[in-house]
Amino acid sequence: GENVEQHPSTLSVQEGDSAVIKCTYSDSASNYFPWYKQELGKRPQLIIDIRSNVGEKKDQRIAVTLNKTAKHFSLHITETQPEDSAVYFCAASKGNTPLVFGKGTRLSVIA
Amino acid sequence: EAGVAQSPRYKIIEKRQSVAFWCNPISGHATLYWYQQILGQGPKLLIQFQNNGVVDDSQLPKDRFSAERLKGVDSTLKIQPAKLEDSAVYLCASSLVSSGGTGELFFGEGSRLTVL
Repeated sequence: GENVEQHPSTLSVQEGDSAVIKCTYSDSASNYFPWYKQELGKRPQLIIDIRSNVGEKKDQRIAVTLNKTAKHFSLHITETQPEDSAVYFCAASKGNTPLVFGKGTRLSVIA
Repeated sequence: EAGVAQSPRYKIIEKRQSVAFWCNPISGHATLYWYQQILGQGPKLLIQFQNNGVVDDSQLPKDRFSAERLKGVDSTLKIQPAKLEDSAVYLCASSLVSSGGTGELFFGEGSRLTVL
């Protein structure tokens, strides 16, 4: 089955700097790659997703890139703010299969 | 629009006891998932329902875990008997798409289980 690796496990950045989180997946047939944000004690919430027919997607300060050949995708957050501090999870799925999540990255934005 | 409701939010039990969690998905969402999230890890799928049928329960420890979704709406997840390693947050999620993982999952607040 699908296996998703995520790194780094923790990331600290200064406010205003950029943050990048990377994930790799094992199943070349996977075609849907969402990113979820989980604030402390809260539920995971979708922040952005990408499908395999595009290479990049942006939404204000966040963007996701996908390299199907290398089987990896990345989350980019620009101009980080303290409210970006959270745990971020990548995930992958194909067709009718459920999402498989990475282990998460704890992002700390230092003011 | 009401979100995914879960209860109880917190539960503390001793090992070998039993526990049940309840989930009410967003109205109209055909697909319901139970995920287990151990501290410091990502959510791990336990079971997926589409309406009242099981789509995927390959990672459900069936010797101690059971789940049902009668009438295709609410769902309950039961653990009997509980082990120390079952300590985790149990997340229920629902999605609008009729099957699979290619649509947004809406998660509940989770039920935090501590097994002593």
